Amino acid sequence: DTAVSQTPKYLVTQMGNDKSIKCEQNLGHDTMYWYKQDSKKFLKIMFSYNNKELIINETVPNRFSPKSPDKAHLNLHINSLELGDSAVYFCASSLTAGATSGTGELFFGEGSRLTVL
Amino acid sequence: GQNIDQPTEMTATEGAIVQINCTYQTSGFNGLFWYQQHAGEAPTFLSYNVLDGLEEKGRFSSFLSRSKGYSYLLLKELQMKDSASYLCALGGTYKYIFGTGTRLKVLA
Repeated sequence: DTAVSQTPKYLVTQMGNDKSIKCEQNLGHDTMYWYKQDSKKFLKIMFSYNNKELIINETVPNRFSPKSPDKAHLNLHINSLELGDSAVYFCASSLTAGATSGTGELFFGEGSRLTVL
Repeated sequence: GQNIDQPTEMTATEGAIVQINCTYQTSGFNGLFWYQQHAGEAPTFLSYNVLDGLEEKGRFSSFLSRSKGYSYLLLKELQMKDSASYLCALGGTYKYIFGTGTRLKVLA
């Protein structure tokens, strides 16, 4: 059983297009995240949600709009794609949000590799 | 800010012990986490520290000193499959900040 699943795994698109990535977790976690990993492999937080509510937006451009229809799903829509958006986008979830114990560990999806041409 | 620094690359021999360091400057965090990431895959959790000291978990151990702003991951009895990137992360509330990552190559 996949714990955190993302679709699609690969996206190749032209500049200016709009694309969406879907994420679902079956772990019963309350907190979900989107991370971006660039070509230098640096993993940077974009958003975090708790029980469908946006908690953190880490100065991400308005072209990125996350949506959480329920606590098990966190989707990411990107408008007007730019070359610099090319990266691997990871969805993750954690049981707790406080990172004060092992239950705070992040479970990552497989990643969605976005290439903007 | 929460600058988190790790060496970019390390090389070690199969069967050896390697220590990967992580230094940080931060105003506060709840726990320090270590993740392993193989090329083309997602990061997976290895170890965490909330309190100062050493946490041992099989071949992997992690150490934290909050006063020194320092952590390390110790890998014993290295195997070829340990060739991967190792990421340290500071865990706050609803937010985990990752270091630059260390790419470890294990040679036969």
